[in-house]
Amino acid sequence: RKEVEQDPGPFNVPEGATVAFNCTYSNSASQSFFWYRQDCRKEPKLLMSVYSSGNEDGRFTAQLNRASQYISLLIRDSKLSDSATYLCVVRYNTDKLIFGTGTRLQVFP
Amino acid sequence: NAGVTQTPKFRVLKTGQSMTLLCAQDMNHEYMYWYRQDPGMGLRLIHYSVGEGTTAKGEVPDGYNVSRLKKQNFLLGLESAAPSQTSVYFCASSNPWQVYNSPLHFGNGTRLTVT
Repeated sequence: RKEVEQDPGPFNVPEGATVAFNCTYSNSASQSFFWYRQDCRKEPKLLMSVYSSGNEDGRFTAQLNRASQYISLLIRDSKLSDSATYLCVVRYNTDKLIFGTGTRLQVFP
Repeated sequence: NAGVTQTPKFRVLKTGQSMTLLCAQDMNHEYMYWYRQDPGMGLRLIHYSVGEGTTAKGEVPDGYNVSRLKKQNFLLGLESAAPSQTSVYFCASSNPWQVYNSPLHFGNGTRLTVT
């Protein structure tokens, strides 16, 4: 079993839709969590950190459920520019981060 | 502010050839990492360094060597390239003083093809 698992998608949604991605992790000692965005043939870039109480950044909301060991990302009012691959990242200690394989989102007009 | 710079951007090698990928960061970060990304596999950690003069193995270190002689540079070497090393390589750095919420800053990547 992979340490960090994501549904690879693709998720094809119309503009304006709400879409949610989940990510599960296997190591209960995980300490911090992130969502990264990666555009085709580009480097990953930090989208947002995920806090225990949940956090929101504009149209994006991240949630953490430590008991069930999953993280979620909700995107409201999807834009064409949201089309990308979304990577779930889990940190186990100060120097080790594990990436999920990513979930691909395609927003169509 | 350049951030993280990788060179070269593209390279084609023949099996058995050697090469070095260079990563340079100007953010005074202590931690540096080399990842490879393959379709369906996500990013996998090759080697990393927690400071000048230190290196450690990641998930997939075989066939690679690294050096961190200067804090700002992290070199990844392939001594005898194999087709299985065809991949996109990303370097990243982070600041340990923000440990629990420290994001990685990535370079633009190096696309390596081994024929």
